[in-house]
Amino acid sequence: SQKIEQNSEALNIQEGKTATLTCNYTNYSPAYLQWYRQDPGRGPVFLLLIRENEKEKRKERLKVTFDTTLKQSLFHITASQPADSATYLCALDVQAGTALIFGKGTTLSVSS
Amino acid sequence: NAGVMQNPRHLVRRRGQEARLRCSPMKGHSHVYWYRQLPEEGLKFMVYLQKENIIDESGMPKERFSAEFPKEGPSILRIQQVVRGDSAAYFCASSREGAGSSGNTIYFGEGSWLTVV
Repeated sequence: SQKIEQNSEALNIQEGKTATLTCNYTNYSPAYLQWYRQDPGRGPVFLLLIRENEKEKRKERLKVTFDTTLKQSLFHITASQPADSATYLCALDVQAGTALIFGKGTTLSVSS
Repeated sequence: NAGVMQNPRHLVRRRGQEARLRCSPMKGHSHVYWYRQLPEEGLKFMVYLQKENIIDESGMPKERFSAEFPKEGPSILRIQQVVRGDSAAYFCASSREGAGSSGNTIYFGEGSWLTVV
């Protein structure tokens, strides 16, 4: 069956460290993968998109990698801050013409 | 603010009543998606609509749930005869391009929280 897994439900790190979140998928061949941030009681907010032919994408302190052989994406936040504390969701297009499918998310807590 | 607008933000219904959730997409967007988020679970796709058409309803429960996106006005997600298990956050999202377009980013509203008592 098709599956999207995010490495852990919760990740706790100290301020200033790099947070690394993992998204693994099976039985898909997505054309692109997206990462969203969701704060409690709010809707998800788009962060980054990476296409299947791109290895890496950066935006300020964020970096995403996409390995279609391993079927994995890594999401990095460098120099993390308490304000980065949120749930991060990865999403895939599993089939042309269908809506994005989301992983359950990883909740990141950055302590000062 | 030209974002995706959802209302009501919070809705309480007794078992057996109907719930109607409304979504106005971002300006210029004609594609609408509804997702449901249960406590401790991820976003689950329900239905994808374009103006006056249901494109994909593979995530919709077969009974009691329906959705529409008329030519004029907001998209409506309707839940008839609600049960306690329907209590969840319902998110609407919209996009300019259709699902499957390369780089199709979707923009979410702030959600409608349904509580069934």
